[in-house]
Amino acid sequence: QQQVKQSPQSLIVQKGGISIINCAYENTAFDYFPWYQQFPGKGPALLIAIRPDVSEKKEGRFTISFNKSAKQFSLHIMDSQPGDSATYFCAASKPGGGADGLTFGKGTHLIIQP
Amino acid sequence: NAGVTQTPKFQVLKTGQSMTLQCAQDMNHNSMYWYRQDPGMGLRLIYYSASEGTTDKGEVPNGYNVSRLNKREFSLRLESAAPSQTSVYFCASSEISGGFQETQYFGPGTRLLVL
Repeated sequence: QQQVKQSPQSLIVQKGGISIINCAYENTAFDYFPWYQQFPGKGPALLIAIRPDVSEKKEGRFTISFNKSAKQFSLHIMDSQPGDSATYFCAASKPGGGADGLTFGKGTHLIIQP
Repeated sequence: NAGVTQTPKFQVLKTGQSMTLQCAQDMNHNSMYWYRQDPGMGLRLIYYSASEGTTDKGEVPNGYNVSRLNKREFSLRLESAAPSQTSVYFCASSEISGGFQETQYFGPGTRLLVL
C-alpha cells in the first residue's frame, strides 16, 4: 500500500515559470510533511516542511500548500530557475517518527528549461 | 562538521559475496536510518535505530542486517548479496524533539552493483 502518492513523475517548466508538484496521503496519523530536493549523485536534502496546523508555508521561492481535509499537499516553485532542476520527493511521518521513518513519494524529476 | 558520511561510495559485488556499508554522523543525533533508492520507487526504509543498541525493521529488511555500534555509527550488512540488492543506499540521522520528527539529514549514498 503506497501511503504517499506523488505526481507528476516528470515535469518540464520554462525558466521563470511556476513548478507545481502534488502529493496525496492516506494515513491521517501523519503530522509532518517535508519536501526533499535531490541533485544527481547526491543525497536528498530538506527543502521545506510543514505541520498540519497551518495551511501554507513559504520560504523564498518555495511554498507548501496543505489541505488537511483533502489529505493533499503541494510544492510550488515560483520563478523557476535552471538551478532548480532536480528530483523532488514529498514525504510524511507520524508523531515521533520511529521505525516508520519517513514515507516517501516516488519522486518528480523536474527540468527547468532556460 | 561533516554531517553524515558513508563508505564506500561505490562497490561492485558478485552474487553471494558479503559486505558492510558504513555510516557515521557527527550531529549527536539519537535516530539513524538506512534507506535504499531504486528508480521510480522513491526511498524505502530498510532499518531504523532509535539509540545505541536498538534497531527496528523498516519496510524492506529482508537480506540485510544492521548494527548500531555507538551513537555515531550505524552499519548495514549484506550477508549474501543478490542482484535484487543493486541499489543506491542512503544513511540518515535525525532527532526526535518533543515527540515530533525533526529533519532527517542524509549522507551522500553508496552505489552498489551486484553481478
